[in-house]
Amino acid sequence: GESVGLHLPTLSVQEGDNSIINCAYSNSASDYFIWYKQESGKGPQFIIDIRSNMNKRQGQRVTVLLNKTVKHLSLQIAATQPGDSAVYFCAEDSTGANSKLTFGKGITLSVRP
Amino acid sequence: DAMVIQNPRYQVTQFGKPVTLSCSQTLNHNVMYWYQQKSSQAPKLLFHYYDKDFNNEADTPDNFQSRRPNTSFCFLDIRSPGLGDAAMYLCATSRVLASNEQFFGPGTRLTVL
Repeated sequence: GESVGLHLPTLSVQEGDNSIINCAYSNSASDYFIWYKQESGKGPQFIIDIRSNMNKRQGQRVTVLLNKTVKHLSLQIAATQPGDSAVYFCAEDSTGANSKLTFGKGITLSVRP
Repeated sequence: DAMVIQNPRYQVTQFGKPVTLSCSQTLNHNVMYWYQQKSSQAPKLLFHYYDKDFNNEADTPDNFQSRRPNTSFCFLDIRSPGLGDAAMYLCATSRVLASNEQFFGPGTRLTVL
């Protein structure tokens, strides 16, 4: 029989445009957040992280915004390039006794040439 | 270059036939993790070692076991693989346990026939 797999939500952007990838996290005790990029057939690759005492952090072409009030995290990619095409995961962790990195649902970023 | 290495990259096994996946690291990190990632899903933590201390996730099936003979190596043993165990298995390391960047290996894609 035919099998139906899960499909990740997809964000399609034009090359050169800015991309904004959003993530809602679940644990109000989380105090550390990471964005990972995963290309096909590879392991997740660290992009940028942020701690809960900050609401914005910038890297090279990437910015992470944290809104603890609504438990929302976003990744902004400036001047999106074809090499940015991948699945992006946000992950949350805490410094508590039950510390564990928990991944959110991934989002596929597709860059149109 | 310091890195996380997984062997083999692709593993095919038969239903019920034990299989072992290998991970090694040159980062000298204290913590090593094993994640299972099924198609189009987020990585799911199976267990981790903090030095020699083994920590199993509550929902990890008994079919999955792990060994860490030394700082550099960690093995994932699947005693009786079922069709539902077909997935990408990711090894990761971190220097300490909480709120610390995890470095991922490239993963081993397991196929169960």
